[in-house]
Amino acid sequence: IAGITQAPTSQILAAGRRMTLRCTQDMRHNAMYWYRQDLGLGLRLIHYSNTAGTTGKGEVPDGYSVSRANTDDFPLTLASAVPSQTSVYFCASSDKGSTGELFFGEGSRLTVL
Amino acid sequence: SQKIEQNSEALNIQEGKTDTLTCNYTNYSPAYLEWYRQDPGRGPVFLLLIRENEKEKRKERLKVTFDTTLKQSLFHITASQPADSATYLCALDTGRRALTFGSGTRLQVQP
Repeated sequence: IAGITQAPTSQILAAGRRMTLRCTQDMRHNAMYWYRQDLGLGLRLIHYSNTAGTTGKGEVPDGYSVSRANTDDFPLTLASAVPSQTSVYFCASSDKGSTGELFFGEGSRLTVL
Repeated sequence: SQKIEQNSEALNIQEGKTDTLTCNYTNYSPAYLEWYRQDPGRGPVFLLLIRENEKEKRKERLKVTFDTTLKQSLFHITASQPADSATYLCALDTGRRALTFGSGTRLQVQP
């Protein structure tokens, strides 16, 4: 089934550790996004990529980095995790030439202790 | 400041009734607005998109309106069913190359 695959589903991490959340899509969408979702704050954009080889900062980029080496993969890295990065992370993609609809993965629940 | 506001409290309605969810925004001029459904532990799923030049859009039992003067979108579910219980998110095109989301309204349909 076509869609977005995120890994891991859930992770507990010690503060200060490095962590990479993986995201792969098989829809050949040109745009990809990382959001974090926190209770009462909704989905907030961390980073985005409009096409392979380009990335941009969203609303809450500090402490996170991304890369877009190819169309399908868009990993999110926490270089040195802090407790405030405890959240549910959603990767999404869209075909910018289409309706603007976002396709989301099922999320990665990260707990930083 | 720019804000997107949705009912923060959960809404409880009886099966078969129609309910309306509200999305208000300030200091944005979106070209379009979208509604998503999110079930617990799952990613959001796209429902409807409505453009600034459209007053109303329908899809099965769903109806969305978009009033750019009031800066408001209303999301209606008719003949509601327990399976409609979920959190509903509105999202705006804010010209930042990605959608900006409201915090969502949780709807509970009682059988």
